[in-house]
Amino acid sequence: KAGVTQTPRYLIKTRGQQVTLSCSPISGHRSVSWYQQTPGQGLQFLFEYFSETQRNKGNFPGRFSGRQFSNSRSEMNVSTLELGDSALYLCASSPYSRNTEAFFGQGTRLTVV
Amino acid sequence: QQQVKQSPQSLIVQKGGISIINCAYENTAFDYFPWYQQFPGKGPALLIAIRPDVSEKKEGRFTISFNKSAKQFSLHIMDSQPGDSATYFCAALYSGGGADGLTFGKGTHLIIQP
Repeated sequence: KAGVTQTPRYLIKTRGQQVTLSCSPISGHRSVSWYQQTPGQGLQFLFEYFSETQRNKGNFPGRFSGRQFSNSRSEMNVSTLELGDSALYLCASSPYSRNTEAFFGQGTRLTVV
Repeated sequence: QQQVKQSPQSLIVQKGGISIINCAYENTAFDYFPWYQQFPGKGPALLIAIRPDVSEKKEGRFTISFNKSAKQFSLHIMDSQPGDSATYFCAALYSGGGADGLTFGKGTHLIIQP
């Protein structure tokens, strides 16, 4: 069974631009969550989708958004990038409606310059 | 409070020894406690998880001990091996509504010396 796939693996963007990251969950998993990982703040929850509906959102500004498609694939978008958005963005999928047994992808390393 | 406090920040253990990482939480509404292992350049990998109705869970060399009254849980790695050198994160999942993602500890950088 293929794991969680995130693309691209690396991105370099300029401040003020926007970026879209993609996540393909494990086959059969309907819950997809996104996390931001930085050395200072650690792993922080961004939002969670289940059956194309955003059910929960962490404490991040509205510049961070996402969506989930009918095949459970998910995208997250960050608009008006700031230097502080540089981070590893991780996607996790779970076979359950909650985030139990969540499996993570390798992440997308975003660098904002 | 939706915080999970993890200690120590870093840990050095000799090969064959026992590695112990501790976490504490305040919110009694947490009802699922996983541990993740992360190698450089990789995403976190689920190691083992426990629910509050169980005091201990063992999977191979990894054991979670859970103390509900103290609101603490710990990961024990028996017979630690150099390949166990990684960063370990404890986490907790809130059973209520709102931001229902995993709340992570800050991580423990574990080094197993050969």
